[in-house]
Amino acid sequence: DVKVTQSSRYLVKRTGEKVFLECVQDMDHENMFWYRQDPGLGLRLIYFSYDVKMKEKGDIPEGYSVSREKKERFSLILESASTNQTSMYLCASSLGGSASSYNEQFFGPGTRLTVL
Amino acid sequence: QKEVEQNSGPLSVPEGAIASLNCTYSDRVSQSFFWYRQYSGKSPELIMSIYSNGDKEDGRFTAQLNKASQYVSLLIRDSQPSDSATYLCAVKRTGRRALTFGSGTRLQVQP
Repeated sequence: DVKVTQSSRYLVKRTGEKVFLECVQDMDHENMFWYRQDPGLGLRLIYFSYDVKMKEKGDIPEGYSVSREKKERFSLILESASTNQTSMYLCASSLGGSASSYNEQFFGPGTRLTVL
Repeated sequence: QKEVEQNSGPLSVPEGAIASLNCTYSDRVSQSFFWYRQYSGKSPELIMSIYSNGDKEDGRFTAQLNKASQYVSLLIRDSQPSDSATYLCAVKRTGRRALTFGSGTRLQVQP
């Protein structure tokens, strides 16, 4: 059974703090993704990774960085948290390459981050 | 024009009725299409995927794809109150690894 886990369900941080969100998948998937979801704005892609140490910017990468040192683990880093980064953060993974049709994405449970 | 468009709803149907959710997409080279269900406060859960024109059935769910008209729909038969959720349409374009998501349609099934 597909499993994507995220390090925290709820997180409260202060403005200016460095924040780490971690995601782990156990399906040996190539691709991993970080999204944020806000009311009225839907799911927005922050970054994704298609291999260890490989990453690509999504639609809203500003203020974020990522790290993928192992295939199963993908971290999202907020270098200096700001109040406008308060959101639900969702990690997802998928199997195939860009030419593959079978790119179902499976989501983790999400981390609700509040920055005060 | 948004890449993937959905009516935000809410779509309200009585229990036992058929709920019809629609999605249109702008890129003709899109190759794969997915429907996710998301309960309030939870993460999206994949319920259907469809890759070729026509219908695909799975239990009470039927996905329909028409590439010529660039739309994909989801039918839920015998709707139950537990089907009340937001349904997200997602599209994979050729040459891209990431999916593009619509903003979702909120479905309310009235007991």
